[in-house]
Amino acid sequence: DAKTTQPNSMESNEEEPVHLPCNHSTISGTDYIHWYRQLPSQGPEYVIHGLTSNVNNRMASLAIAEDRKSSTLILHRATLRDAAVYYCILRDQNYGQNFVFGPGTRLSVLP
Amino acid sequence: DAMVIQNPRYQVTQFGKPVTLSCSQTLNHNVMYWYQQKSSQAPKLLFHYYDKDFNNEADTPDNFQSRRPNTSFCFLDIRSPGLGDTAMYLCATSRDLGLGQPQHFGDGTRLSIL
Repeated sequence: DAKTTQPNSMESNEEEPVHLPCNHSTISGTDYIHWYRQLPSQGPEYVIHGLTSNVNNRMASLAIAEDRKSSTLILHRATLRDAAVYYCILRDQNYGQNFVFGPGTRLSVLP
Repeated sequence: DAMVIQNPRYQVTQFGKPVTLSCSQTLNHNVMYWYQQKSSQAPKLLFHYYDKDFNNEADTPDNFQSRRPNTSFCFLDIRSPGLGDTAMYLCATSRDLGLGQPQHFGDGTRLSIL
């Protein structure tokens, strides 16, 4: 049972920033927020994760709300290759420390 | 460099005929996972190994079994596949079960049951 909610789909124009939201209102203090993406015909790919503070890496940024009940994955300049399904996942001890994928957000990037 | 390798990429088998899917990793990770992903759905965890300790998800059918003969390899055995087992099967690894540990996925085996 997924504990996150995401929009089913979003669209972006190429080279523009994309903000992918995720709500996780029942998050507990030890839950990590993970983001993965899955390109067509490939396995999921790790994007970024965080606990409380905002995080940056070469792929994206993760902005975590102060109350941790929501987060936003930020792609700074979308490319056609970023078209994928993006999954926001909470990893917590109550689920045997394993991942429960929700339906994710299908991101389309328009040229 | 491929780090989690799944073979074959595509597999077709007959209803009821046992099939084995293979996964190998070059990361020397302690944990290996198997997921099932049906068309247009999210991946669903079947089971995982932490080293040699096997952990089955409660709703994984008995038809699905796994073997991990060594750190590098893990197999998914489907004893008597049904039509409903047609899916992509994904293998993943992580260094350990720490909550901040990312998982590394292979590109999956697409299994079709005829």
